[in-house]
Amino acid sequence: QKEVEQNSGPLSVPEGAIASLNCTYSDRGSQSFFWYRQYSGKSPELIMFIYSNGDKEDGRFTAQLNKASQYVSLLIRDSQPSDSATYLCAAGRNYQLIWGAGTKLIIKP
Amino acid sequence: NAGVMQNPRHLVRRRGQEARLRCSPMKGHSHVYWYRQLPEEGLKFMVYLQKENIIDESGMPKERFSAEFPKEGPSILRIQQVVRGDSAAYFCASSPPRLAGGPRYNEQFFGPGTRLTVL
Repeated sequence: QKEVEQNSGPLSVPEGAIASLNCTYSDRGSQSFFWYRQYSGKSPELIMFIYSNGDKEDGRFTAQLNKASQYVSLLIRDSQPSDSATYLCAAGRNYQLIWGAGTKLIIKP
Repeated sequence: NAGVMQNPRHLVRRRGQEARLRCSPMKGHSHVYWYRQLPEEGLKFMVYLQKENIIDESGMPKERFSAEFPKEGPSILRIQQVVRGDSAAYFCASSPPRLAGGPRYNEQFFGPGTRLTVL
């Protein structure tokens, strides 16, 4: 079992809809969780991080954390074609980030 | 406020040569991480450094690879006697010092990467 798991996709979502990206982690000692976006050929870019159970909203993005279920999600409202990218989930542990393999998201116009 | 800087952006080496990749962290950041990424694959952790110290090199191959973060100057990832399998994108990330009483993990900010091609 991988420590941080994501569905590799691709996840196809129509423009204007809500894109829902999911991530599970195995280490209950993880305290912080990060979502990064990576366009093809580019470096990862931090979107959001979350430490506490519940929801955290930033513009069109909402991160959700459920520590009991060891589950993290990222919702993207009003999806735009420019949101098409690979989304990486990472869990913080002992000064490191443990990375998922990423979910490829495609927003169809 | 410059971000993480890496150079060169593209590096071509022949088998057996040495590759030196440089990373300057964001201003005020004291933690540097190196990652490798093959096409269509995830990030692979290589090494974590603070100034003049290697904290964790568990992801570094035992041979040919080394890293440093001197008191002055950028962090260097050095690959000796490169082979074709070393061709990849190498990313550097930095994070700020941990605040007392704050979360144990800080967000990492990535540089643009160095694309290494070994002929």
